[in-house]
Amino acid sequence: DIQMTQSPSSLSASVGDRVTITCRASQDIINYLNWYQQKPGKAPKLLIYAASTLQSGVPSRFSGSGSGTDFTLTISSLQPEDFATYYCQQSYSTVIFTFGPGTKVDIK
Amino acid sequence: QVTLRESGPALVKPTQTLTLTCTFSGFSLSTSGLCVNWIRQPPGKALEWLARIDWDEDEYYSPSLKTRLTISKDTSKNQVVLTMTNMDPVDTGTYYCAQSGSSWFSFDYWGQGTLVTVSS
Repeated sequence: DIQMTQSPSSLSASVGDRVTITCRASQDIINYLNWYQQKPGKAPKLLIYAASTLQSGVPSRFSGSGSGTDFTLTISSLQPEDFATYYCQQSYSTVIFTFGPGTKVDIK
Repeated sequence: QVTLRESGPALVKPTQTLTLTCTFSGFSLSTSGLCVNWIRQPPGKALEWLARIDWDEDEYYSPSLKTRLTISKDTSKNQVVLTMTNMDPVDTGTYYCAQSGSSWFSFDYWGQGTLVTVSS
C-alpha cells in the first residue's frame, strides 16, 4: 500500500499568515494527489485535485504544488474560515486509496 | 446538484453486522466513470477509505477490512449499501459516503456522515 505522511501534524497561525502544509507519499504517485479541508463536525471538502487543480468554488488563496512523492498545500493569506484540519489523499493506486494523518491549523 | 446522505443504525453491539445505506441524487451510478465510496473516521482521528463500487459493478475494498466488507448498489433506487460484519468497538466512528470519478478518483461530493457507536 502507498503510505502518506503530512507535516506538521498541527500548526498555529494568525489571520493573514502564509501557511504551508507538506504531504509525502511512500512511492511515486506522479500527480495523483488530492487535498481536503475538514471543519469540526462536518464532512471533508475537496479543495485541490491532481496536485494543483483548484476545485470549482475554492478561493484562489489555496494552491497546491508538487509531483512524484512530495506535495505542498499553501494558503497565501489565512482567513478566519480556514482554521480546520487538512488531509491529503493519494489516488494513484486506483484500487486502494489512502489519506494522510491530517494537519490541524488553529489560531495563534 | 449532487447530494448524498448516509443512513443506518446509530448503535450496534459487538459482533453484530452493520448495514449502511447511501442514498444519492444528482447523478446516476449507471453513468460511465462514476463511483461511490465509503470512508470512515474514528472520533478525533484521520479518514480511512473502506470500499468503492463503480458504475460497471466493479468492487474494491481496503485490504485490512476486505473480509468484513460488502458493497453493493441499487441503481434504480440511487442507493449504495455497505455491510460490515463482526463489529467491534474500534469500528466506532463517523461513516461517510462520497462520489468520485474515474479521472482522478478524488472524492468530489460527500454525505454529511453518520455516527456509528459500537457498544454492548
